[in-house]
Amino acid sequence: EPEVTQTPSHQVTQMGQEVILRCVPISNHLYFYWYRQILGQKVEFLVSFYNNEISEKSEIFDDQFSVERPDGSNFTLKIRSTKLEDSAMYFCASSGPGLAGGPSYNEQFFGPGTRLTVL
Amino acid sequence: GNSVTQMEGPVTLSEEAFLTINCTYTATGYPSLFWYVQYPGEGLQLLLKATKADDKGSNKGFEATYRKETTSFHLEKGSVQVSDSAVYFCALTQPRGGRALTFGSGTRLQVQP
Repeated sequence: EPEVTQTPSHQVTQMGQEVILRCVPISNHLYFYWYRQILGQKVEFLVSFYNNEISEKSEIFDDQFSVERPDGSNFTLKIRSTKLEDSAMYFCASSGPGLAGGPSYNEQFFGPGTRLTVL
Repeated sequence: GNSVTQMEGPVTLSEEAFLTINCTYTATGYPSLFWYVQYPGEGLQLLLKATKADDKGSNKGFEATYRKETTSFHLEKGSVQVSDSAVYFCALTQPRGGRALTFGSGTRLQVQP
C-alpha cells in the first residue's frame, strides 16, 4: 500500500544550524503539507504546497522556514537557523486523487514524522 | 477561523467498556470532519471521516456522526480493547484540495485489561 515516507526519523542539531527534513509523498498525490507537533501538544499546520508553489501557510511558517520540491518525488522543509522552540515532531502529509483513481482531495495521509531536537 | 475542541484526557476505561470522546467545531460552510489516531511512537493514521451533515464515518468498530445542528463529531466505540490505547485527534478541513487540517488538542485513551 502506498505510503508517505520521511527521513531522518530523528535529527539532533545545534541552535542556529540549518536543517532539512525530507519527505516522499504518495506518488500520484498533488498536494503536500507540513505539520508540527510540539511534545504533548496539538498538531499544528505549517504550510501546504501545490503546483510548485505555496498555497497556504500559517503564522508559524515565518522567514526561517522554506519548502521545496526539488524533483518529482521529494518534498523538503528547511529551517534556516534553528531555535530551541523548533524542537518538535514534524509530519509530512499528502493528498490528491484517491488510490482507486477517484478524487479524495481533502483526505490527507501522514508520514511517520521526523523528531527534531534542537540543543 | 476554524477551531476544534475536544474533551480533556486522559480517558481511562476497562476493556469492553463503551467509549465516547466529544468533539465540537467552529467553521464556516460545510467542513469535512476527521478522526485521526496516534499510537505510541507512531505517526497519525486516519481513523474515519465524514464529509456532509448526517454522514456517519466508521472504521474498526469506531463511529462518528456529522451533526451540523450541534456542530459535533463525537467518536464512539461499543467495546474498547487494550490495543485501542492511543491519542485520538478530531480535525476538520474545508472541502477543497490543499486546505489545512485544523486539529483538536487530542484525547489520550488508556484501556486497562
